[in-house]
Amino acid sequence: GAGVSQSPSNKVTEKGKDVELRCDPISGHTALYWYRQSLGQGLEFLIYFQGNSAPDKSGLPSDRFSAERTGGSVSTLTIQRTQQEDSAVYLCASRKEKPDTQYFGPGTRLTVL
Amino acid sequence: QKEVEQNSGPLSVPEGAIASLNCTYSDRGSQSFFWYRQYSGKSPELIMSIYSNGDKEDGRFTAQLNKASQYVSLLIRDSQPSDSATYLCAVATSGSARQLTFGSGTQLTVLP
Repeated sequence: GAGVSQSPSNKVTEKGKDVELRCDPISGHTALYWYRQSLGQGLEFLIYFQGNSAPDKSGLPSDRFSAERTGGSVSTLTIQRTQQEDSAVYLCASRKEKPDTQYFGPGTRLTVL
Repeated sequence: QKEVEQNSGPLSVPEGAIASLNCTYSDRGSQSFFWYRQYSGKSPELIMSIYSNGDKEDGRFTAQLNKASQYVSLLIRDSQPSDSATYLCAVATSGSARQLTFGSGTQLTVLP
């Protein structure tokens, strides 16, 4: 079946602008994660959604970052007032419960000029 | 802080040899362990998952888990140039979110 999809694949923005990144998880997977991969920090967890429960935002690096998930499916990660240090690849993953397995989307490469 | 450590590499092996990748983790409550392969410019691709002590084989790949020693390894038999990539060890946290904590990756090069 279809895997995790993300859009856009690449985003170039100017410092101070807001950006929205989209993730469409695998159908039937109730858990969705956002991660960020940058040269200096490796691959790090940002936020987690499970069904209709309140999201786990413990990995968000600042209050400029927020995410929502509508209808238990598509998720949007929003970064306000982007900074150069936000430049990274943003990866979305959806999780199959049994066995516990996460599958990654192709990522969005964000460049903040 | 829950950590995952990998042998830093880079690791080079000749074609046909066995590549051995190692990983240790700090969260004793972790139950799920993964190896992802990442080609340059691509996203991580799941190649092995392991949940119980012992060995798990899938084709040329064998994952080994020892929870007492908090150690996970990946063996790649009959290594091919197409196996050249960065291999990421990932451990699901023991909390309810079960987010993945990743090692820094081991870059493997298989020489023809």
